[in-house]
Amino acid sequence: NAGVTQTPKFQVLKTGQSMTLQCAQDMNHEYMSWYRQDPGMGLRLIHYSVGAGITDQGEVPNGYNVSRSTTEDFPLRLLSAAPSQTSVYFCASRVNGGALSSPLHFGNGTRLTVT
Amino acid sequence: GQQVMQIPQYQHVQEGEDFTTYCNSSTTLSNIQWYKQRPGGHPVFLIQLVKSGEVKKQKRLTFQFGEAKKNSSLHITATQTTDVGTYFCAGQEGYGGSQGNLIFGKGTKLSVKP
Repeated sequence: NAGVTQTPKFQVLKTGQSMTLQCAQDMNHEYMSWYRQDPGMGLRLIHYSVGAGITDQGEVPNGYNVSRSTTEDFPLRLLSAAPSQTSVYFCASRVNGGALSSPLHFGNGTRLTVT
Repeated sequence: GQQVMQIPQYQHVQEGEDFTTYCNSSTTLSNIQWYKQRPGGHPVFLIQLVKSGEVKKQKRLTFQFGEAKKNSSLHITATQTTDVGTYFCAGQEGYGGSQGNLIFGKGTKLSVKP
């Protein structure tokens, strides 16, 4: 199993450009999520999904869109990139169901710079 | 909303010294998880604590969950250079829906001087 795969690893955008960060997992996990990591800010939840066709907002959703058409894929779209979106983005998945959150499996991250 | 505070933000130790990071939640947690992120890497799950007052050990690492299920700690005995990284706690407030999401602390960055 490859686990959680994120592409690209690095990306540089100009302000106003759009792009999609890809995330795929091969563990048949129902729950998938996107976090951004900024220095001194920890990991902040952007969007999450508990299954195909279901998405919801996290703590910092503005400027980002997601969709979940399949169990395996959970792309994150930046509609009009801004310098404030310069960050490291992590996709994470886990088994859903049950009362307690099972451990998150993280991808290797995408380092995004917006100039 | 739920907040998870983690201190200290940074810790520099000499190899062989002990290290502790503390996590406090504004609300009662159903469980807390700990993750380690090596420099340039991604967070990796270490452990999950569920029961009030629970203590778990992994070799030199000791994890505790407070009696009120609002705080937790990670203690490393006799640090080694391989312990370098950022340690995150992550709390889950409730069960299902948005309360099933993990809220991460800001992390404690540990550096170890040989």
